[in-house]
Amino acid sequence: DGGITQSPKYLFRKEGQNVTLSCEQNLNHDAMYWYRQDPGQGLRLIYYSQIVNDFQKGDIAEGYSVSREKKESFPLTVTSAQKNPTAFYLCASTGLTYNEQFFGPGTRLTVL
Amino acid sequence: DAKTTQPPSMDCAEGRAANLPCNHSTISGNEYVYWYRQIHSQGPQYIIHGLKNNETNEMASLIITEDRKSSTLILPHATLRDTAVYYCIVRVADGNSGYALNFGKGTSLLVTP
Repeated sequence: DGGITQSPKYLFRKEGQNVTLSCEQNLNHDAMYWYRQDPGQGLRLIYYSQIVNDFQKGDIAEGYSVSREKKESFPLTVTSAQKNPTAFYLCASTGLTYNEQFFGPGTRLTVL
Repeated sequence: DAKTTQPPSMDCAEGRAANLPCNHSTISGNEYVYWYRQIHSQGPQYIIHGLKNNETNEMASLIITEDRKSSTLILPHATLRDTAVYYCIVRVADGNSGYALNFGKGTSLLVTP
């Protein structure tokens, strides 16, 4: 089955630790995205990448970093500089038409 | 991208049509209207999109007014599994922000037995 996988589903970290969230897709999509969702709110764009080895900041990139070394993978690192990292993180990808974004199941990060 | 306005919540009886409105009065000529939905604690799911003509697929119908300032998503026969938050998004098709989507708070639809 083609799709997007995110792991783990739940993640707990201590304050001050960096943590990396995984996102993999086997849809052969060029563009990938990371969004953050807080309770009762919509999604906000953190980073996006339209091609391997290139990525751009979204609306709330501070305290986050990404890499795009392979077309299939777009990991997100939540650094200790992110002041309020507890949230639901969603990865998405889209093909050449950019019409439909496919979303992964999300990772719920809790920083203790 | 143009701003959208949706009611925060709506109810619908199972088996009835659910009509979800969206206002986008500042929409530009090259902006599309997209609808996504998000079932609790899952990733959003694409439903439908359109530019100015009405659109229909196996999930829903999208009705866009002639002046394009508002639209309605119609779920013809709502089921309990349609309970979700529905997002109306207006987005240009020119690649700004890598075609990322600007999600607001959406409409929380509750389908009741």
